Amino acid sequence: EVQLVQSGAEVKKPGESLTISCKVSGYNFMHYWLGWVRQVPGRGPEWMGNIYPDDSDIRYNPSFEGQVTMSVDRSLNTAYLHWTSLKASDTAVYYCARHGVDHGVTPKGFDSWGRGTLVTVSS
Amino acid sequence: DIQMTQSPSTLSASVGDRVTISCRASESISSWLAWYQQKPGKTPNLLIYKASTLESGVPTRFSGSESGTEFTLTISSLQPDDFATYYCHQYRAYPETFGQGTKVEMK
Repeated sequence: EVQLVQSGAEVKKPGESLTISCKVSGYNFMHYWLGWVRQVPGRGPEWMGNIYPDDSDIRYNPSFEGQVTMSVDRSLNTAYLHWTSLKASDTAVYYCARHGVDHGVTPKGFDSWGRGTLVTVSS
Repeated sequence: DIQMTQSPSTLSASVGDRVTISCRASESISSWLAWYQQKPGKTPNLLIYKASTLESGVPTRFSGSESGTEFTLTISSLQPDDFATYYCHQYRAYPETFGQGTKVEMK
C-alpha cells in the first residue's frame, strides 16, 4: 500500500526556520516525482514544486523559488520542505503528493497524498 | 503560466442530478489534466487523469471529457457522498496549475 506520512502540525513565529517531512512507503521512492502543494484554508491548491528523488532534480514554481528548499534523504525514503525565514503568509496546509504513472508510461497527476502538515506562523 | 478557469464556483444540486463542471485552459495542455475531489479537512483524491481516464477505485458515475482547451467533469447521478469541492489540475507544463475549485452543495 502506498503511504505518504507527513510530520505533525507546527506553530512558528515570523523569521523562524522550519523543516517538514514526508516519509513514503509501498513504492519505489526513487523513481516517482514527488510534489509539494500548498493550500491556504478555504482556497484552492497551489503547486510549489516537484522533486525526483533518484537524482534530486527539482522543478520549483517561480512563485515559491527562493522561499523554500526541497530535498530528499534516499536512505530514509523521506522528502523535506524547508524554510529559512517564515512569514505570516506561509500559514497553510502543506501536502506532499506522488506524481503517479500509469503502466509506467502515462503521467497521472497526483495519485497519492500525505494527510498534510498545518503550518501556522504567528507572532 | 497556464491559467485554469473553472466554472461554476458553486453548484447547487440534488441527489440523482447530472452534474457538469467545466475547466478551461488558457493554452493547449493536450490531455494532461486531472480532476480531484476534496472534502472539508481531507486530502484531495484523484478521480480522473489524462482528461478522461478513471482512476482505479473511483465510481463509474464520474467521467471526464475534453474539447480543445475545454475540459468537463461529469457526475452522472449525484450521490450523497459526492457533495464536495472539485479541482482541475494541468500537468502539461511547469508551473503546474490548479483551477479555483467548484463546490457542489446540496440544493
